[in-house]
Amino acid sequence: GAVVSQHPSWVICKSGTSVKIECRSLDFQATTMFWYRQFPKQSLMLMATSNEGSKATYEQGVEKDKFLINHASLTLSTLTVTSAHPEDSSFYICSAREGGTTSLYEQYFGPGTRLTVT
Amino acid sequence: AQSVAQPEDQVNVAEGNPLTVKCTYSVSGNPYLFWYVQYPNRGLQFLLKYITGDNLVKGSYGFEAEFNKSQTSFHLKKPSALVSDSALYFCAVRATDSWGKLQFGAGTQVVVTP
Repeated sequence: GAVVSQHPSWVICKSGTSVKIECRSLDFQATTMFWYRQFPKQSLMLMATSNEGSKATYEQGVEKDKFLINHASLTLSTLTVTSAHPEDSSFYICSAREGGTTSLYEQYFGPGTRLTVT
Repeated sequence: AQSVAQPEDQVNVAEGNPLTVKCTYSVSGNPYLFWYVQYPNRGLQFLLKYITGDNLVKGSYGFEAEFNKSQTSFHLKKPSALVSDSALYFCAVRATDSWGKLQFGAGTQVVVTP
């Protein structure tokens, strides 16, 4: 089956610094990638949708200047948390899918990245 | 707007007994429905989906789900639960015109006791 990887799997950073999380589709071309945030024992909250080569579409309430998303290739998307604060600590999960916005292809999820801001 | 309700925060079942995890949805138009499972500190694993066709969908690890349009439900079932099925289960819906976005339910913790 299709595999999506995330790196790093966990990261600890100091308040005020920036951290980059990578999401890669290993064996398929991901036209569309999604970034989610998950708080402990809660559901996934969609942060943004990105299509390869174009700007990400952010969900309402998500700060686009704080959570920078780049989908530069069909196998790689990055999420950069800029000037991180403790309230940004969370579990970040990406997913990837072949095809565009109306595609019926399956979404495949990465293993997640645990971010802790001290 | 689309929404998903998973009315039970937790489901407890003894190993070998049937397992049911409930899900109801609200969406404009035809729904695409999904079930995912999440183990601690891991991403989501796909179990099954309903797009069209037969209302009974069979998926991974012996799970199945039945799409019921009149009741707007998509309950997940397994005839005989295993201890290893203990995990967090998410139901998700996607409307055909939703730009591919999945709306997840709150999740149901399944605990299977030996």
